[in-house]
Amino acid sequence: AQKVTQAQTEISVVEKEDVTLDCVYETRDTTYYLFWYKQPPSGELVFLIRRNSFDEQNEISGRYSWNFQKSTSSFNFTITASQVVDSAVYFCALSEAGSGYSTLTFGKGTMLLVSP
Amino acid sequence: DAEITQSPRHKITETGRQVTLACHQTWNHNNMFWYRQDLGHGLRLIHYSYGVQDTNKGEVSDGYSVSRSNTEDLPLTLESAASSQTSVYFCASSESTGGPKDYEQYFGPGTRLTVT
Repeated sequence: AQKVTQAQTEISVVEKEDVTLDCVYETRDTTYYLFWYKQPPSGELVFLIRRNSFDEQNEISGRYSWNFQKSTSSFNFTITASQVVDSAVYFCALSEAGSGYSTLTFGKGTMLLVSP
Repeated sequence: DAEITQSPRHKITETGRQVTLACHQTWNHNNMFWYRQDLGHGLRLIHYSYGVQDTNKGEVSDGYSVSRSNTEDLPLTLESAASSQTSVYFCASSESTGGPKDYEQYFGPGTRLTVT
């Protein structure tokens, strides 16, 4: 069965610090997709990124970067120069291509608090 | 702009009552999903649908039902509400074009349900 582990329940940083959110996954499928979602205090879920299992190239989008390493089954998310607006709960999720669209399994989330 | 909406945004009901939560999307997505979010559990899949007249059970489907009579709507019904169903409910949708974007789910704003 697929599984997503976000070991960090809560992280507190001061503005402008860099912060990395960890995500470790388990799957038996060779084709799968990994995701990060952001849930700000307002409660909505915002899609951030999708990566497939065949593309291990790291990705950078502004202050956000993602490090995908199949060897360690990890898909970590780094925020550079954090800002107060980054305060949110961040979810990592996994979907196995062989199991259909429904198998979006979420981790339990990491709450990030960025203080001024 | 296309969007996904949920109603009501907040609801309080009594144990044993039937409750229906609405979900409406204007993206013309074939795939629709219902999740519940509880502290310490992340998001868990309740039911999903791949198109009109199609419904499927997810991880935590007991006590819930859905029906899909058109592309835009997937209402979630709690047949006899229980206190254990107090939660935040999210609806989501995704494409079904056969490509990787089919795995990107876009979420509604959520419905906070309290069962007393």
